[in-house]
Amino acid sequence: DGGITQSPKYLFRKEGQNVTLSCEQNLNHDAMYWYRQDPGQGLRLIYYSQIVNDFQKGDIAEGYSVSREKKESFPLTVTSAQKNPTAFYLCASRPGQGETGNYGYTFGSGTRLTVV
Amino acid sequence: AQSVSQHNHHVILSEAASLELGCNYSYGGTVNLFWYVQYPGQHLQLLLKYFSGDPLVKGIKGFEAEFIKSKFSFNLRKPSVQWSDTAEYFCAVNALWTNAGKSTFGDGTTLTVKP
Repeated sequence: DGGITQSPKYLFRKEGQNVTLSCEQNLNHDAMYWYRQDPGQGLRLIYYSQIVNDFQKGDIAEGYSVSREKKESFPLTVTSAQKNPTAFYLCASRPGQGETGNYGYTFGSGTRLTVV
Repeated sequence: AQSVSQHNHHVILSEAASLELGCNYSYGGTVNLFWYVQYPGQHLQLLLKYFSGDPLVKGIKGFEAEFIKSKFSFNLRKPSVQWSDTAEYFCAVNALWTNAGKSTFGDGTTLTVKP
């Protein structure tokens, strides 16, 4: 079945470490997104990519970085510059390029990151 | 920039009760609207969506939502809830032609259905 795979499911980071969250999709979707979910705050957009080798900052990009070298992969790195990284991270994708937005997202199962 | 407001943070209902979850958005242009659901232990999935045409849209599991443009609202309804509807529900909006298909989400509503 097609879908989005996020790994790991749980991740623990020490202060000052960079960690990378994996997001892989086999849906042949062009656009991919990273959201952060905090309790009671809904989902906030970190980064997004509409096409390979291109990505844009979302609303809360500081302290994060991404790459989009392959259509199916959109890894997120949480750097030591992110002051409050403990959260639930969701990767999403949708088909099509451009700004139609006519498709809903397909989500992965998420990665819960905890700073220890 | 658009924003989404979900008025109810936690709703508790008994089985067979009717459900209405409020969602209002702020954006003056053309929008697409979505409701997503996250069941316990599962990932977020699309419940229903509105693009154009009939403002009353039907989704999975008996849910429906009505888009009222004049009120900037997209409320979710279900005539008779079941215990299995216990979940967190998110409303989301895409502002067309301006934002590359990015969705803005509300803070979510947790629905608890008592058997």
